[in-house]
Amino acid sequence: AQSVSQHNHHVILSEAASLELGCNYSYGGTVNLFWYVQYPGQHLQLLLKYFSGDPLVKGIKGFEAEFIKSKFSFNLRKPSVQWSDTAEYFCAVIRRGAAGNKLTFGGGTRVLVKP
Amino acid sequence: EAGVAQSPRYKIIEKRQSVAFWCNPISGHATLYWYQQILGQGPKLLIQFQNNGVVDDSQLPKDRFSAERLKGVDSTLKIQPAKLEDSAVYLCASSLVAGFTDTQYFGPGTRLTVL
Repeated sequence: AQSVSQHNHHVILSEAASLELGCNYSYGGTVNLFWYVQYPGQHLQLLLKYFSGDPLVKGIKGFEAEFIKSKFSFNLRKPSVQWSDTAEYFCAVIRRGAAGNKLTFGGGTRVLVKP
Repeated sequence: EAGVAQSPRYKIIEKRQSVAFWCNPISGHATLYWYQQILGQGPKLLIQFQNNGVVDDSQLPKDRFSAERLKGVDSTLKIQPAKLEDSAVYLCASSLVAGFTDTQYFGPGTRLTVL
C-alpha cells in the first residue's frame, strides 16, 4: 500500500532559522505531490504542489519544495522562518491512475517557532 | 469565494449514540471528500463522491458509517453507533473535478469526542 512518511513529528526552532521538513513516499509510479499547512485554529490550506516540470517548486509565504524522484522525496524548505510559521505541516501524495486520484497524507510535523 | 462549510464544529456524544455531520462544498465543485483525522495523524480518506455517485469508499467502515450526497451538492456523514475510537476530526474537502491535477480545498472540520 502507498504510504507517506514525514521524518519529524515535532520541530522547534527560533525565528530567522532555516527550516527543512522531510517527506518520503513509497509508490514507484507517477505521483503528484503536495504540502498542506494547518495554522492554529484554522483549516488545512495548500502551501504548494508539484505535478511536473521544474522539480523545485515555490509556494506561498516563502516556502519551497524539491522533488527528488530517485529518492522518492519531496522536502519542504524555508530559509528564514517567522513566528507566524508556527503550524502543522502535512505532505500528501496522489498516485496518478489510482481510482479517484486518492490523496494520501503523511502523519504531519508540528513546527513551533520561538520569537 | 466562499470556502467549504461544515457543521457542527464540535460534537460530544456517548458511545453507541449516533451522530451526523454536514458539509457544503465550494460552489461548482463536483467532487467531495470526507476524511477522518485522528489526533497525531494525517487525514485519512473515508469516502469520495463525484457529483452524487461514490468513487471510493474502500476505507469507510460500512457497518457503522454512512454518507450520502443527494443532488450532488451537500453531503452528510453519519456514524451509528459511535465507538470510542471514532473520536477524531472529520474533514470535508471539495475539488472542481477529480483529476490528478486538481486541488482539494478543506473545510474547518468537525471535532467529535466520543465518551
